Amino acid sequence: EIVLTQSPGTLSLSPGDRATLSCRASQNVYRNTLAWFQQKPGQAPRLLIYGASSRATDIPDRFSGSGSGTDFTLTISRLEPEDFAVYHCQQYGSSPWTFGQGTKVEIK
Amino acid sequence: QVQLVQSGAEVKKPGASVKVSCMASGYIFTDYYIHWVRQAPGQRLEWMGWINPNYDGSNSAEKFQGRVTMTRETSSDTVYMELSGLQSDDTAIYYCARGRTKVRGGGIAYWGQGTLVTVSS
Repeated sequence: EIVLTQSPGTLSLSPGDRATLSCRASQNVYRNTLAWFQQKPGQAPRLLIYGASSRATDIPDRFSGSGSGTDFTLTISRLEPEDFAVYHCQQYGSSPWTFGQGTKVEIK
Repeated sequence: QVQLVQSGAEVKKPGASVKVSCMASGYIFTDYYIHWVRQAPGQRLEWMGWINPNYDGSNSAEKFQGRVTMTRETSSDTVYMELSGLQSDDTAIYYCARGRTKVRGGGIAYWGQGTLVTVSS
């Protein structure tokens, strides 16, 4: 199974800052089938990015995804107050689908 | 709009089974796979498996094979996930989630609100 490792575990930033989150896979992710989800306390995850770099419906353009193979990045260009949350990466190209352990973006 | 509404919280004793339902609306039920994902306290999200509501086929992650049963009822646009032989480490929030595309490999787009299952003696 593909193990996804996210870094850092916690990112302490201020509104308006740029956030860069990393997701590294233990082996190549098939056809870059890598997604990013945002999760707020008490809520289900929300899809942000699929196919490594395609924004999901209604996701603001301050969210962008990049990367290929084993190294992927989620970038939030300018943090808004509502962006402080936990972010999960997920690969869905190989069974079993797997998730990273999450990166928490907190207010500094 | 796409909605997945799950059944309420459950408390079960070790060794028991739990059955969680997930009622879909806002799209053609048989067009999209439904996946089950769980989140134990302090743990990463864990994918459990999928069901195809069109032909009732399903597949689960090896970890859950023999313990999980996924079924569907087309008359009510509802899927079910039953997990047997519960242990304390099965305590988690269980989510149903709809596929992003009509093919199985398109990932997940929409999530239910989650069902908390607590296993305790």
